[in-house]
Amino acid sequence: AQTVTQSQPEMSVQEAETVTLSCTYDTSESDYYLFWYKQPPSRQMILVIRQEAYKQQNATENRFSVNFQKAAKSFSLKISDSQLGDAAMYFCAYRRGSGGYQKVTFGTGTKLQVIP
Amino acid sequence: DVKVTQSSRYLVKRTGEKVFLECVQDMDHENMFWYRQDPGLGLRLIYFSYDVKMKEKGDIPEGYSVSREKKERFSLILESASTNQTSMYLCASNFGGSGRGEQFFGPGTRLTVL
Repeated sequence: AQTVTQSQPEMSVQEAETVTLSCTYDTSESDYYLFWYKQPPSRQMILVIRQEAYKQQNATENRFSVNFQKAAKSFSLKISDSQLGDAAMYFCAYRRGSGGYQKVTFGTGTKLQVIP
Repeated sequence: DVKVTQSSRYLVKRTGEKVFLECVQDMDHENMFWYRQDPGLGLRLIYFSYDVKMKEKGDIPEGYSVSREKKERFSLILESASTNQTSMYLCASNFGGSGRGEQFFGPGTRLTVL
């Protein structure tokens, strides 16, 4: 079974600084997707960034980028120029690539605090 | 924008009551999911549905059932609520097929069972 591990339950970052959230996963599949989701306090969970395993290039979305190390099964999220609105729970997630209704496995989350 | 709505943000029920949590999505998604979110445990899949009247057990289906009579609506049922079912419940949906897999989430229902 696939597992996703987030070893940092909580992290903090100064506003305008950079922070990296860690995620490792375990799978025997070669085709899969990895995601980072953000859940702000009392608000809906939204997708931050997605990475297809077959792509060597790391995904980026504005201030958010990932460091995808396929061999090491590592998928970290880097947030640059942190803003107060980045404060949230962040979940790393894995989905097998093939098939229509593949289950998504989530990590336990990292709570990010942004200090003004 | 994709919209996933849940019938209640907060719900308080008594032990033994039958509880219905409703989820509606407006993007014609084939797949719908019910998760339970608990501190330190992340999101755990209770059930998912890939088509009308079709369902699959997730990781923690015990004590729950689901119903999907229409494509846009997915209901989670607690047949006899217990205190250990106090939790945040999240509904999600996405397209089927070999899509990119992003799930769209509802706002969540915080259920307290007394």
